[in-house]
Amino acid sequence: EIVMTQSPATLSVSPGERATLSCRASQSVSSNLAWYQQKPGQAPRLLIYGASTRATGIPARFSGSGSGTEFTLTISSLQSEDFAVYYCQQYNNWPPCTFGQGTKVEIK
Amino acid sequence: QVQLVESGGGVVQPGGSLRLSCAASGFTFSSYGMHWVRQAPGKGLEWVAFIRYDGSNKYYADSVKGRFTISRDNSKNTLYLQMNSLRAEDTAVYYCAKDLGQWLVLWYFDYWGQGTLVTVSS
Repeated sequence: EIVMTQSPATLSVSPGERATLSCRASQSVSSNLAWYQQKPGQAPRLLIYGASTRATGIPARFSGSGSGTEFTLTISSLQSEDFAVYYCQQYNNWPPCTFGQGTKVEIK
Repeated sequence: QVQLVESGGGVVQPGGSLRLSCAASGFTFSSYGMHWVRQAPGKGLEWVAFIRYDGSNKYYADSVKGRFTISRDNSKNTLYLQMNSLRAEDTAVYYCAKDLGQWLVLWYFDYWGQGTLVTVSS
C-alpha cells in the first residue's frame, strides 16, 4: 500500500497570500494524484486530478504540480472560502487508493 | 444536477450489522463505478469499497474485507453497503462517491454524498 504524507499539518496564511501545500508518496505514483478540499461538516470536493488538471468549476487560483513522489497544491491568493482541510489521494496503485492525512489551512 | 443521498446510518452494538444506501440522481448511474469512503471522527479519509458500473468487479479495503459487501441496483439507481461484524473502529461518516470515469474506472471522485454517520458502541 502506498503511503501519502502531507506537510505541513497546519498552514497559517493571511487572506490574499499564497499557500503552498505538499504531498509525498512512499513510491512513485506517476501523475495519478488528486487533491480534495473539505470544509467542516461538508463532503470533500475534487479540486485537481492528474496532478495538475483542475476539475470542473474550480477557480484558476488553484494549481497542482509534480510527478513521481513529490506534489504541490498552490492557492495563489487565498480567499475566505479557501480556509479548509486539503487532502491528496493517489490512484496509481489500487486497490486501495490512499489519501494523505490532510493539511488544514487556517486564517493567520 | 448530480445528487447522492446516503441513508441507513445509526448506532449499532459491536458485532452487529447495518446496511447503508446511496440514492443517485442527475446522471446515468448504470454507466459509472461507485465507491464508499469513510471518515472517522476528526480523522482523514479512508477508501472502503468499489463496485464497477455493471457490478461485475468489486474491491475492498483490507480493514473491511470479509465483513462488508458492496452492491448496486441499477434499476433503482441505488448503491448499498452491507456491514456485518461491526467493530468500534468502523465508527465513521460513510460517504458514497461517484467515480469520474464513465464505463472505465479512474479511481478519483467527482461527486460525493453528504455522508451518513455509523456509530459502533455498546
